[in-house]
Amino acid sequence: SQKIEQNSEALNIQEGKTATLTCNYTNYSPAYLQWYRQDPGRGPVFLLLIRENEKEKRKERLKVTFDTTLKQSLFHITASQPADSATYLCALRNTGGFKTIFGAGTRLFVKA
Amino acid sequence: DTGVSQDPRHKITKRGQNVTFRCDPISEHNRLYWYRQTLGQGPEFLTYFQNEAQLEKSRLLSDRFSAERPKGSFSTLEIQRTEQGDSAMYLCASRNGVSGKPYNEQFFGPGTRLTVL
Repeated sequence: SQKIEQNSEALNIQEGKTATLTCNYTNYSPAYLQWYRQDPGRGPVFLLLIRENEKEKRKERLKVTFDTTLKQSLFHITASQPADSATYLCALRNTGGFKTIFGAGTRLFVKA
Repeated sequence: DTGVSQDPRHKITKRGQNVTFRCDPISEHNRLYWYRQTLGQGPEFLTYFQNEAQLEKSRLLSDRFSAERPKGSFSTLEIQRTEQGDSAMYLCASRNGVSGKPYNEQFFGPGTRLTVL
């Protein structure tokens, strides 16, 4: 069955460092891979999307890579800040498909 | 505020009762999704609408669950004969289906937290 794996353990880093979160998937060939941020008690907020034919995408302090051979995406936050503390969700969708599958998310804590 | 609203924000009900949730998407978005999220998990897909047509339903959506989107605007999700296992956050999201716009970004509402006693 289709499966998305994200680091289940929380990631603790010091302010100013780069946070790297991992998303691995199996039994899936996504056309799009997305990253969302979710704060406690709130709905997810879209951050970045990368297509299957793209290797890397950047937006301000965020960078996403997508390796369809390894079936893995890495999500980087550079110069991290305490305000970046949240849960980050990886999500996959097929071309022409309606269903988006989400991972369980990785909780990030950035200490001042 | 993403522009997607959900009502109510919280609902406490007794087992066996019926509940209905409402979602108002961003007005120009023709795609609408319902998800269920439990603690420590990501959102779980329930159903998808394109305009007023319900195009996909998860196997998770048992016959006690029904969703509608009359006139392709707001949507409702009804759970009949609620069970304690239905306790979760129910999220609605909308998406612009017009190519050239931010096509794939889903805008989520704040969710409705359901507690079944």
